[in-house]
Amino acid sequence: DAGITQSPRHKVTETGTPVTLRCHQTENHRYMYWYRQDPGHGLRLIHYSYGVKDTDKGEVSDGYSVSRSKTEDFLLTLESATSSQTSVYFCAISESGTGSYEQYFGPGTRLTVT
Amino acid sequence: GEDVEQSLFLSVREGDSSVINCTYTDSSSTYLYWYKQEPGAGLQLLTYIFSNMDMKQDQRLTVLLNKKDKHLSLRIADTQTGDSAIYFCAELRSQGNLIFGKGTKLSVKP
Repeated sequence: DAGITQSPRHKVTETGTPVTLRCHQTENHRYMYWYRQDPGHGLRLIHYSYGVKDTDKGEVSDGYSVSRSKTEDFLLTLESATSSQTSVYFCAISESGTGSYEQYFGPGTRLTVT
Repeated sequence: GEDVEQSLFLSVREGDSSVINCTYTDSSSTYLYWYKQEPGAGLQLLTYIFSNMDMKQDQRLTVLLNKKDKHLSLRIADTQTGDSAIYFCAELRSQGNLIFGKGTKLSVKP
């Protein structure tokens, strides 16, 4: 988890409210990712970023948006939270310059939508 | 199909070897990874292997890759109770994203 923080670590919110999760890195890595982890599904990619202001959709992007205005911060927004978005959200970073594209994960945010 | 497959559970005795298996789907995947997740924590990268290798050893960990069968395994020698965790294999797709298996829960009995 070194160099990657996520905030908040836990959040409970109501259906229909917007929620923003933050990922912050101190490694100056180019790539950042948002995953969700659910029982029976493993980790699934929501969105990723390959540079400032450059983002793309992942496997399960519906209902989520992202923004990256600085190298170190990647924000995930649930525009109108639903109970199906109750999950643990992980941010990851990687640097293509290493050649092996390994991703390093943050500690996670547990989100409950009631 | 699209899924990376792993068995869900493995139970071993302390001191034995553990072997966690994985089958992946994309024959063009260049890198394959093993991650470890302890309760309440994020994923920790254990090791990875490049697709032109068939074996990689790192202390107690040995990764075997059979590219023909798209089969990956992780062997943990002298398994300890601290190795109890969920282990995920993942393949790197051409777009640069990782596809994960659902994880294998390793239980180590004293």
